[in-house]
Amino acid sequence: SAVISQKPSRDICQRGTSLTIQCQVDSQVTMMFWYRQQPGQSLTLIATANQGSEATYESGFVIDKFPISRPNLTFSTLTVSNMSPEDSSIYLCSVGWGSQENEQFFGPGTRLTVL
Amino acid sequence: SQQGEEDPQALSIQEGENATMNCSYKTSINNLQWYRQNSGRGLVHLILIRSNEREKHSGRLRVTLDTSKKSSSLLITASRAADTASYFCATPTSGSARQLTFGSGTQLTVLP
Repeated sequence: SAVISQKPSRDICQRGTSLTIQCQVDSQVTMMFWYRQQPGQSLTLIATANQGSEATYESGFVIDKFPISRPNLTFSTLTVSNMSPEDSSIYLCSVGWGSQENEQFFGPGTRLTVL
Repeated sequence: SQQGEEDPQALSIQEGENATMNCSYKTSINNLQWYRQNSGRGLVHLILIRSNEREKHSGRLRVTLDTSKKSSSLLITASRAADTASYFCATPTSGSARQLTFGSGTQLTVLP
């Protein structure tokens, strides 16, 4: 298994500002995922971040709004840019695990509130 | 669109009772997973069942999979207040080796 930490755990931000969320894993992993969970909803995949390549974004998410860095095999950041109240959500990073299966281990999440 | 739909959306039971949650999905899969999320926190992997398995147990959890009906169920026996959480099924995203698509989730409340 993998132990994943996220910073910050929560934040309250003003409209128009940006927040960078960090995800740290205790072992080297190839694939990292960033999800958004809007209040009372399920998880929606924002992008897949592989080390050494550009992140792959899902439909409805763009790099200008959610830039992602993946400088090495244990770390990634997600920035939520030019925030609006609609960006208020829990943001979760996860890592793929297992050689054949597609289990994922999740960080504790970052609860973002935009005023 | 989400692959899985779960029912019920919310379930409230007394401690000691059993809780059953159902998940339906749309495309062919090679496995299905269940995750638990305590209030506003990260998800915890509970159990994975492969497409060639019909039933799997882990402690107080029992998962079934019916590929002909494209459905799965999660049974929690002898529930405890600590089981209060949201439960999500997840299936491999079509066209991706590692991505998952999550169901809509069931909010379980176990009353002491």
